[in-house]
Amino acid sequence: QKEVEQNSGPLSVPEGAIASLNCTYSDRGSQSFFWYRQYSGKSPELIMSIYSNGDKEDGRFTAQLNKASQYVSLLIRDSQPSDSATYLCAVIGTSYGKLTFGQGTILTVHP
Amino acid sequence: EAGVTQFPSHSVIEKGQTVTLRCDPISGHDNLYWYRRVMGKEIKFLLHFVKESKQDESGMPNNRFLAERTGGTYSTLKVQPAELEDSGVYFCASSQDEGDTEAFFGQGTRLTVV
Repeated sequence: QKEVEQNSGPLSVPEGAIASLNCTYSDRGSQSFFWYRQYSGKSPELIMSIYSNGDKEDGRFTAQLNKASQYVSLLIRDSQPSDSATYLCAVIGTSYGKLTFGQGTILTVHP
Repeated sequence: EAGVTQFPSHSVIEKGQTVTLRCDPISGHDNLYWYRRVMGKEIKFLLHFVKESKQDESGMPNNRFLAERTGGTYSTLKVQPAELEDSGVYFCASSQDEGDTEAFFGQGTRLTVV
């Protein structure tokens, strides 16, 4: 079992729709959870961090965390073509600062 | 403010040669991390510096890899001798201080060993 699992996609949504990205993790001791966005050939860019159960909203992005189910999700509302990228779920477990990544989900938003 | 900078952006070397990758973290960031993504796989942790000290090097694949961070500023990652399986994209990331878990990534160095 992978430590962090994501559906690799590709996930295709129409412009203006809600994109839903999901991630599960295996280490129950994990405390910090992140979503990075990566455009082709560019650096991973941190877009959301979440540390406690529930929802966290930032603009069009909402991160959801359920530690009991070991599940993290990212919702992107009013999706735009510029949101087309690979979205990486990353988790910090018991080793301080060490990120464990999923494989990433490729999102395509079509006009 | 300058972000995390990596040099070179691309490197193509022959098997058996030596390559040195460089990372300049964001100024003032004590934590510096190296990660690697090989084709088709997820980004994987290599090691973590706090200032000039190695905090965690559990992800280093073998003793052909040597990382340094003299003076606690920039870091180098040397691969000697390079093997075909070392090909991939090497990312560097930095974060500010103890307790700061949000890391900022450089654009990566794409290493191809032929």
